[in-house]
Amino acid sequence: GDSVTQMEGPVTLSEEAFLTINCTYTATGYPSLFWYVQYPGEGLQLLLKATKADDKGSNKGFEATYRKETTSFHLEKGSVQVSDSAVYFCALSDLRQGGKLIFGQGTELSVKP
Amino acid sequence: DAMVIQNPRYQVTQFGKPVTLSCSQTLNHNVMYWYQQKSSQAPKLLFHYYDKDFNNEADTPDNFQSRRPNTSFCFLDIRSPGLGDAAMYLCATSREGLAGYPEQYFGPGTRLTVT
Repeated sequence: GDSVTQMEGPVTLSEEAFLTINCTYTATGYPSLFWYVQYPGEGLQLLLKATKADDKGSNKGFEATYRKETTSFHLEKGSVQVSDSAVYFCALSDLRQGGKLIFGQGTELSVKP
Repeated sequence: DAMVIQNPRYQVTQFGKPVTLSCSQTLNHNVMYWYQQKSSQAPKLLFHYYDKDFNNEADTPDNFQSRRPNTSFCFLDIRSPGLGDAAMYLCATSREGLAGYPEQYFGPGTRLTVT
């Protein structure tokens, strides 16, 4: 079945460092891809999405490009802030599975001043 | 602002005592989901409603039930909570459209403690 694999955390960076969180997926169809962020004690917030190959999602300085050839959707940010500390989940949604979200295991990001 | 609301944010119940968690939404979305999230894990889908149609995940224990009396509200009932049911419970909504199922919008969650 469909699955999502993220790089393991925790990831610890200094403020203003470059961030990459790797995400790869396995799907037999043509899924939509998402990054969600979860701050401590809160629900998930949609960070960005891409619905077809070569689409780039972007929001709040974060970017991710839907790469069908490498089945990847890596999250990047050029300069992280302390306020970016959170858990990041990569997910896919496949219409053939009724739109269910399939999550990766999450990557905890800690940004130090 | 349109949103997904969950009440209460924190719930403490006793072992074996039934508990109900609630979710409401002002987005007028036709699909509502309940997830269970344990510490340091990804959310796990328990069930979802597509309009009034209930869809249970195969591995959701019978101890978990749900009701959706109208478009705006959805309830999660845990009939006999065990210590293993302590978790964050997340409600989410989406609107199914021509492009399929777009993103899901999550509420802030209810943290359930079982004593």
